[in-house]
Amino acid sequence: EDKVVQSPLSLVVHEGDTVTLNCSYEVTNFRSLLWYKQEKKAPTFLFMLTSSGIEKKSGRLSSILDKKELFSILNITATQTGDSAVYLCAVELITNAGKSTFGDGTTLTVKP
Amino acid sequence: EPEVTQTPSHQVTQMGQEVILRCVPISNHLYFYWYRQILGQKVEFLVSFYNNEISEKSEIFDDQFSVERPDGSNFTLKIRSTKLEDSAMYFCASSHTRLAGRTDTQYFGPGTRLTVL
Repeated sequence: EDKVVQSPLSLVVHEGDTVTLNCSYEVTNFRSLLWYKQEKKAPTFLFMLTSSGIEKKSGRLSSILDKKELFSILNITATQTGDSAVYLCAVELITNAGKSTFGDGTTLTVKP
Repeated sequence: EPEVTQTPSHQVTQMGQEVILRCVPISNHLYFYWYRQILGQKVEFLVSFYNNEISEKSEIFDDQFSVERPDGSNFTLKIRSTKLEDSAMYFCASSHTRLAGRTDTQYFGPGTRLTVL
């Protein structure tokens, strides 16, 4: 059975801190790993990772994939209260058209 | 910026009733998806749809569920006879392409909260 595990499940930090969120997976026929930010409602896309070792960056957020060890990390530097959200990791398989398997998410709370 | 829209934002129905959840994907997108998220639980894939047919469906998507693209813009999810456990947030998503070896970004709609009483 395909599995995506995120850790920690929740995290509370103060503004300005740096956080690292983890996502490990056990799947067959890996295609890509995606990170989403979910605030009140719909997930919004952050990154898609398909190759090991290539860091994707967007402002204070960055992410990298390790296909040998089957994990990805999402880093957020200089956190702000607006970063408070649930961060979702999902894995897509080559064989399943568009089917994503999601992790449980990490709930990040950034306090002023 | 183009976005996926969903209606209604919240639907309350009695157990056993049929519901239709509506989505308008981004206009030049070709691939459409439904997900659900039961309160406090993870997002779950239901179905993907391309070229007027289902590409993939999960074990959740049983005979009570169906999808349709009735015209050039709408994408609907029908639940024939709702059960209490169907109460969840239902998200529609769309993507432009699915080229070999490459996945395109899925853009999510704001969701429809379905409450079955």
